[in-house]
Amino acid sequence: AQSVSQHNHHVILSEAASLELGCNYSYGGTVNLFWYVQYPGQHLQLLLKYFSGDPLVKGIKGFEAEFIKSKFSFNLRKPSVQWSDTAEYFCAVNLYNQGGKLIFGQGTELSVKP
Amino acid sequence: DAGVTQSPTHLIKTRGQQVTLRCSPKSGHDTVSWYQQALGQGPQFIFQYYEEEERQRGNFPDRFSGHQFPNYSSELNVNALLLGDSALYLCASSDQTGVFSEQYFGPGTRLTVT
Repeated sequence: AQSVSQHNHHVILSEAASLELGCNYSYGGTVNLFWYVQYPGQHLQLLLKYFSGDPLVKGIKGFEAEFIKSKFSFNLRKPSVQWSDTAEYFCAVNLYNQGGKLIFGQGTELSVKP
Repeated sequence: DAGVTQSPTHLIKTRGQQVTLRCSPKSGHDTVSWYQQALGQGPQFIFQYYEEEERQRGNFPDRFSGHQFPNYSSELNVNALLLGDSALYLCASSDQTGVFSEQYFGPGTRLTVT
Protein backbone atom coordinates (compact mmCIF):
# COMPACT_ATOMS: atom_id res chain seq x y z
CA ALA A 1 0.00 0.00 0.00
CA GLN A 2 1.13 3.54 -0.67
CA SER A 3 2.45 5.34 2.39
CA VAL A 4 4.20 8.50 3.48
CA SER A 5 6.85 8.44 6.21
CA GLN A 6 8.02 11.36 8.28
CA HIS A 7 10.99 10.20 10.26
CA ASN A 8 11.05 12.90 12.91
CA HIS A 9 8.12 12.87 15.30
CA HIS A 10 9.27 15.79 17.42
CA VAL A 11 12.01 18.28 16.63
CA ILE A 12 13.21 20.91 19.08
CA LEU A 13 15.33 23.80 17.80
CA SER A 14 16.53 27.15 19.02
CA GLU A 15 15.66 30.29 17.09
CA ALA A 16 17.94 30.91 14.08
CA ALA A 17 18.80 27.22 13.76
CA SER A 18 18.36 25.56 10.39
CA LEU A 19 15.54 23.11 9.84
CA GLU A 20 15.21 20.03 7.72
CA LEU A 21 12.23 17.69 8.05
CA GLY A 22 12.34 14.40 6.21
CA CYS A 23 9.54 12.95 4.09
CA ASN A 24 9.64 9.76 2.05
CA TYR A 25 6.87 8.10 0.11
CA SER A 26 6.42 4.61 -1.24
CA TYR A 27 4.96 4.77 -4.73
CA GLY A 28 6.69 4.19 -8.03
CA GLY A 29 4.41 6.27 -10.23
CA THR A 30 3.93 9.97 -10.77
CA VAL A 31 3.05 11.98 -7.71
CA ASN A 32 2.27 15.48 -6.58
CA LEU A 33 3.76 16.47 -3.24
CA PHE A 34 2.66 18.86 -0.52
CA TRP A 35 3.71 20.19 2.84
CA TYR A 36 0.96 21.40 5.16
CA VAL A 37 1.39 23.19 8.48
CA GLN A 38 -0.92 23.33 11.46
CA TYR A 39 -0.15 26.17 13.88
CA PRO A 40 -1.49 25.77 17.44
CA GLY A 41 -5.25 26.27 17.43
CA GLN A 42 -5.43 26.77 13.68
CA HIS A 43 -6.45 24.62 10.75
CA LEU A 44 -4.18 22.94 8.22
CA GLN A 45 -2.62 25.36 5.76
CA LEU A 46 -0.65 24.68 2.60
CA LEU A 47 3.04 25.60 2.89
CA LEU A 48 4.16 24.55 -0.56
CA LYS A 49 3.48 22.09 -3.35
CA TYR A 50 5.29 20.32 -6.17
CA PHE A 51 3.51 19.30 -9.34
CA SER A 52 6.29 19.33 -11.95
CA GLY A 53 9.28 21.33 -13.15
CA ASP A 54 12.04 22.64 -10.90
CA PRO A 55 12.40 20.11 -8.07
CA LEU A 56 13.30 22.90 -5.64
CA VAL A 57 10.09 24.64 -4.66
CA LYS A 58 9.65 27.68 -2.50
CA GLY A 59 6.69 28.22 -0.25
CA ILE A 60 5.39 30.75 2.19
CA LYS A 61 7.30 32.08 5.21
CA GLY A 62 10.73 31.21 3.83
CA PHE A 63 10.19 27.47 3.57
CA GLU A 64 11.42 25.41 0.65
CA ALA A 65 11.41 21.74 -0.28
CA GLU A 66 13.39 19.60 -2.66
CA PHE A 67 11.92 16.70 -4.59
CA ILE A 68 14.47 13.94 -5.19
CA LYS A 69 12.73 11.38 -7.37
CA SER A 70 15.45 8.74 -7.07
CA LYS A 71 15.14 8.82 -3.29
CA PHE A 72 11.33 9.16 -3.19
CA SER A 73 11.88 12.11 -0.89
CA PHE A 74 10.48 15.60 -0.44
CA ASN A 75 12.30 17.18 2.49
CA LEU A 76 11.27 20.51 3.95
CA ARG A 77 13.91 23.10 4.79
CA LYS A 78 14.22 26.54 6.32
CA PRO A 79 17.59 28.26 6.83
CA SER A 80 16.66 30.04 10.05
CA VAL A 81 13.62 29.17 12.14
CA GLN A 82 11.64 31.57 14.29
CA TRP A 83 9.59 30.97 17.42
CA SER A 84 6.48 31.53 15.29
CA ASP A 85 7.35 28.41 13.25
CA THR A 86 6.32 26.25 16.19
CA ALA A 87 3.67 24.00 14.67
CA GLU A 88 2.96 20.52 13.35
CA TYR A 89 4.11 19.82 9.82
CA PHE A 90 2.56 17.24 7.52
CA CYS A 91 3.90 15.87 4.28
CA ALA A 92 1.28 14.63 1.81
CA VAL A 93 1.27 12.84 -1.51
CA ASN A 94 -1.31 12.81 -4.26
CA LEU A 95 -1.11 9.89 -6.67
CA TYR A 96 -1.82 10.48 -10.34
CA ASN A 97 -4.12 7.47 -10.61
CA GLN A 98 -6.12 8.36 -7.49
CA GLY A 99 -7.42 11.82 -8.27
CA GLY A 100 -7.69 14.22 -5.38
CA LYS A 101 -6.99 11.77 -2.57
CA LEU A 102 -4.18 12.99 -0.30
CA ILE A 103 -2.07 10.51 1.65
CA PHE A 104 -0.53 12.14 4.71
CA GLY A 105 2.45 11.29 6.84
CA GLN A 106 2.02 11.09 10.60
CA GLY A 107 3.33 14.60 11.13
CA THR A 108 6.35 16.22 12.78
CA GLU A 109 5.90 18.48 15.75
CA LEU A 110 8.38 21.37 15.66
CA SER A 111 9.09 23.31 18.83
CA VAL A 112 11.26 26.43 18.49
CA LYS A 113 12.76 27.83 21.68
CA PRO A 114 13.08 31.64 21.82
CA ASP B 1 -14.04 35.51 1.54
CA ALA B 2 -15.16 32.77 3.90
CA GLY B 3 -12.97 29.73 4.04
CA VAL B 4 -14.12 26.20 4.75
CA THR B 5 -16.48 26.05 7.70
CA GLN B 6 -17.50 23.03 9.74
CA SER B 7 -20.11 22.39 12.39
CA PRO B 8 -20.28 21.55 15.16
CA THR B 9 -16.89 22.29 16.66
CA HIS B 10 -17.10 19.56 19.27
CA LEU B 11 -19.41 16.62 19.73
CA ILE B 12 -19.74 13.90 22.35
CA LYS B 13 -21.64 10.73 21.47
CA THR B 14 -22.19 7.30 22.99
CA ARG B 15 -21.18 4.01 21.39
CA GLY B 16 -23.81 2.78 18.96
CA GLN B 17 -25.22 6.21 18.23
CA GLN B 18 -25.20 7.98 14.89
CA VAL B 19 -23.63 11.35 14.12
CA THR B 20 -23.82 13.91 11.30
CA LEU B 21 -21.08 16.43 10.65
CA ARG B 22 -21.47 19.36 8.29
CA CYS B 23 -19.17 21.27 5.97
CA SER B 24 -19.50 24.36 3.80
CA PRO B 25 -16.79 24.68 1.16
CA LYS B 26 -14.76 27.76 0.37
CA SER B 27 -16.51 30.14 -2.00
CA GLY B 28 -16.07 29.01 -5.59
CA HIS B 29 -15.23 25.41 -4.69
CA ASP B 30 -17.38 22.51 -5.83
CA THR B 31 -15.49 19.49 -4.48
CA VAL B 32 -15.47 18.34 -0.86
CA SER B 33 -13.23 15.74 0.75
CA TRP B 34 -13.44 14.33 4.26
CA TYR B 35 -10.55 13.16 6.40
CA GLN B 36 -10.26 11.52 9.81
CA GLN B 37 -7.34 12.57 12.01
CA ALA B 38 -6.75 10.40 15.05
CA LEU B 39 -4.69 11.82 17.91
CA GLY B 40 -1.00 11.94 16.98
CA GLN B 41 -1.62 10.83 13.40
CA GLY B 42 -1.90 12.47 10.02
CA PRO B 43 -5.28 12.87 8.34
CA GLN B 44 -6.70 9.79 6.59
CA PHE B 45 -8.87 10.16 3.50
CA ILE B 46 -12.47 9.02 3.93
CA PHE B 47 -14.12 10.06 0.66
CA GLN B 48 -14.58 12.84 -1.86
CA TYR B 49 -17.78 14.32 -3.30
CA TYR B 50 -18.26 16.13 -6.57
CA GLU B 51 -21.50 16.86 -8.40
CA GLU B 52 -23.41 15.31 -5.50
CA GLU B 53 -21.76 11.93 -6.01
CA GLU B 54 -19.07 10.05 -4.13
CA ARG B 55 -16.11 10.03 -6.52
CA GLN B 56 -13.43 8.36 -4.43
CA ARG B 57 -13.39 6.44 -1.21
CA GLY B 58 -10.66 5.53 1.22
CA ASN B 59 -10.39 2.44 3.37
CA PHE B 60 -13.35 3.13 5.66
CA PRO B 61 -16.33 0.86 6.39
CA ASP B 62 -19.83 1.46 5.09
CA ARG B 63 -20.77 2.95 8.45
CA PHE B 64 -19.21 6.09 7.05
CA SER B 65 -21.41 7.74 4.46
CA GLY B 66 -21.81 11.17 3.03
CA HIS B 67 -23.86 13.50 0.98
CA GLN B 68 -23.29 16.60 -1.09
CA PHE B 69 -26.02 19.15 -1.67
CA PRO B 70 -26.67 21.30 -4.77
CA ASN B 71 -24.99 24.26 -3.02
CA TYR B 72 -21.83 22.08 -2.70
CA SER B 73 -22.06 21.78 1.08
CA SER B 74 -21.60 18.30 2.46
CA GLU B 75 -22.43 16.02 5.35
CA LEU B 76 -20.52 13.12 6.84
CA ASN B 77 -22.61 10.51 8.61
CA VAL B 78 -21.23 7.82 10.87
CA ASN B 79 -23.52 5.03 12.10
CA ALA B 80 -23.07 2.60 14.97
CA LEU B 81 -20.29 4.65 16.53
CA LEU B 82 -17.30 2.85 18.00
CA LEU B 83 -14.81 4.15 20.55
CA GLY B 84 -12.23 4.11 17.76
CA ASP B 85 -14.21 6.67 15.81
CA SER B 86 -13.08 9.33 18.27
CA ALA B 87 -11.03 11.74 16.18
CA LEU B 88 -10.87 15.14 14.52
CA TYR B 89 -12.88 15.09 11.30
CA LEU B 90 -11.59 17.47 8.67
CA CYS B 91 -13.36 18.76 5.62
CA ALA B 92 -11.37 20.05 2.67
CA SER B 93 -12.64 21.78 -0.43
CA SER B 94 -11.17 22.38 -3.86
CA ASP B 95 -12.26 23.67 -7.23
CA GLN B 96 -11.63 20.39 -9.03
CA THR B 97 -11.41 16.70 -8.31
CA GLY B 98 -8.17 15.83 -9.97
CA VAL B 99 -4.55 15.50 -9.01
CA PHE B 100 -3.82 19.20 -9.47
CA SER B 101 -6.44 20.30 -7.01
CA GLU B 102 -5.27 22.33 -4.04
CA GLN B 103 -7.31 21.42 -1.02
CA TYR B 104 -8.27 23.98 1.62
CA PHE B 105 -9.03 22.59 5.07
CA GLY B 106 -11.58 23.60 7.63
CA PRO B 107 -10.99 23.75 11.39
CA GLY B 108 -12.46 20.31 11.96
CA THR B 109 -15.06 18.73 14.23
CA ARG B 110 -13.73 16.98 17.32
CA LEU B 111 -15.82 13.84 17.89
CA THR B 112 -15.55 12.00 21.19
CA VAL B 113 -17.26 8.62 21.53
CA THR B 114 -17.79 7.37 25.09
